[in-house]
Amino acid sequence: DTGVSQNPRHKITKRGQNVTFRCDPISEHNRLYWYRQTLGQGPEFLTYFQNEAQLEKSRLLSDRFSAERPKGSFSTLEIQRTEQGDSAMYLCASSETAPWDTSYEQYFGPGTRLTVT
Amino acid sequence: SQQGEEDPQALSIQEGENATMNCSYKTSINNLQWYRQNSGRGLVHLILIRSNEREKHSGRLRVTLDTSKKSSSLLITASRAADTASYFCATGRANNLFFGTGTRLTVIP
Repeated sequence: DTGVSQNPRHKITKRGQNVTFRCDPISEHNRLYWYRQTLGQGPEFLTYFQNEAQLEKSRLLSDRFSAERPKGSFSTLEIQRTEQGDSAMYLCASSETAPWDTSYEQYFGPGTRLTVT
Repeated sequence: SQQGEEDPQALSIQEGENATMNCSYKTSINNLQWYRQNSGRGLVHLILIRSNEREKHSGRLRVTLDTSKKSSSLLITASRAADTASYFCATGRANNLFFGTGTRLTVIP
């Protein structure tokens, strides 16, 4: 399967704990995106990478969140000191490189559902 | 805030009927995309329509775009139970996409 994969699929953690999610994009795709989705809402952009460079971060990405893509392949999203408000589905997507003023089809992974108790 | 807004929020139809969903957006765009999301899963890209296109077809899907009204519609013809899902429109640039809140479509067998 050459699609986008995410691990784990589900994560339950206690408030205050740190969690880390992994995303493996489609191998030929240079761009990688992280989104957050809460129940009944559409995905909200968090951050994106062009190869290993993190080029944009949303204001939703507080200091407790950090994302990396060290070798321009897989990416990790870490949440430190989790709060109940962090409970959501975290989606990863990848795409080919697009001109700055347009968007290409994004391929989404199945998501990691985080529950903070 | 999210740029696209879908209408209606929920739609329930009988299998075989057509389903129409609408999307309105706020700023100028280069293209608009529609995605489908089955319950609790990732999104699947359906179709992309460029700003210089007015209509596009893909199988049972028909998308229209009216840039003067900043709106788009997605028509699913001859619906099937498997079409039950949430449908989102998305606009944006290369760095990210802005999604609406989606239309929840239920197709009753």
